[in-house]
Amino acid sequence: DVKVTQSSRYLVKRTGEKVFLECVQDMDHENMFWYRQDPGLGLRLIYFSYDVKMKEKGDIPEGYSVSREKKERFSLILESASTNQTSMYLCASSLPATSGRNEQFFGPGTRLTVL
Amino acid sequence: AQSVTQPDIHITVSEGASLELRCNYSYGATPYLFWYVQSPGQGLQLLLKYFSGDTLVQGIKGFEAEFKRSQSSFNLRKPSVHWSDAAEYFCAVGARMNRDDKIIFGKGTRLHILP
Repeated sequence: DVKVTQSSRYLVKRTGEKVFLECVQDMDHENMFWYRQDPGLGLRLIYFSYDVKMKEKGDIPEGYSVSREKKERFSLILESASTNQTSMYLCASSLPATSGRNEQFFGPGTRLTVL
Repeated sequence: AQSVTQPDIHITVSEGASLELRCNYSYGATPYLFWYVQSPGQGLQLLLKYFSGDTLVQGIKGFEAEFKRSQSSFNLRKPSVHWSDAAEYFCAVGARMNRDDKIIFGKGTRLHILP
């Protein structure tokens, strides 16, 4: 079974702090994704990576950056956390669409609260 | 551009009753289609997927979905719901093209079960 793990289930930070959210997958997937989920807004893509050191902006990249130094690990960075970044953050991984099997596998999520 | 519509934000059914959750998509060709389920405070779990072949797809937990190209729909069904099915359900669509590995999610339908 594919396993996607996230470093924390719950995180409380203060405004202005630098925040790192870590995600690790164990199935050698090329693609990794970071989403945020807010009530009524569904899942919104923050960043996407299709290979080591490669990244693409999603729908809401402002205020975030990412790092992918190893294939299995994809980090989301909040350079200076703000209260409007309080949310549930979900990481996912998948094979490429060309594989014909690109369903995404999700981690358990990190509930981030910024005070 | 791809889009996914889940017309029902909330649905309430009695335990033991049948269920159908609606999903309509917009895409220029035959897409990849997915249904995910999310229990409170958890990540998303894949229920079923359609890539090609038989348009009636069986999934986990007794769910099935039918791809109807003429209606651009991929509705999720279950003949008899259980209290443990109470959760949020997301329909998603993905492209088959190279380098377009993102999946677009609907905003979700929250299922409530009456005892």
